[in-house]
Amino acid sequence: EIVLTQSPGTLSLSPGERVTLSCRASQSVSSNYLAWYQQKPGQAPRLLIYGASSRATGIPDRFSGSGSGTDFTLTISRLEPEDFTVYYCQQYGRPPFTFGPGTKVDIK
Amino acid sequence: QVQLVESGGGVVQPGGSLRLSCVASGFTFSTYGMHWVRQAPGKGLEWVAVMSSDGNEKYYADSVKGQFTISRDNSKNTFYLQMDSLKTEDTAVYYCAKGVSVTPTYLQHWGQGTLVTVSS
Repeated sequence: EIVLTQSPGTLSLSPGERVTLSCRASQSVSSNYLAWYQQKPGQAPRLLIYGASSRATGIPDRFSGSGSGTDFTLTISRLEPEDFTVYYCQQYGRPPFTFGPGTKVDIK
Repeated sequence: QVQLVESGGGVVQPGGSLRLSCVASGFTFSTYGMHWVRQAPGKGLEWVAVMSSDGNEKYYADSVKGQFTISRDNSKNTFYLQMDSLKTEDTAVYYCAKGVSVTPTYLQHWGQGTLVTVSS
């Protein structure tokens, strides 16, 4: 099983700031099959990024993904008020398709 | 538009069984892989299982292997999760989610979830 580690666990930032979230895999993720999801309280998760760097339909271009192999990042170029929530990475290259533990982005 | 509606959640005693259903609409259900994901109260997401569009590929998380069974009825646009020998640690919101192709992929659309509570 591929174990995903996300860091940091929590980030406290201000609107307008740039943030980079990290997702590290215990083994190489085949074909960079790595996705990022956003989840707001009381809601289902929403797909942001797939294939490590492709934005899902309707996702603002302030969200971007990068990385390969075992190290991946999600960058939000300028935090908007609605971006303060939890983010998860997931690998879907090899079953079981594990999620990371999540990073919470808080308002400072 | 894509809609996924889960049902079948509720309160069940430890050792009991429950079957969740996910009714899909707004897309050709028979051509997409489908997933179950769960989230315990206040915790993160845990991937549970996936099935390919034709049902020939099934994969499970180690934590539910041998305990949960997934199936689908393409004639009814419905995806199922049979949960047996339930434990208190299976208490969670269970989401179904749609992939993007016939084989297992990332989760493009999600339902709103159904709550399963395992308690005596």
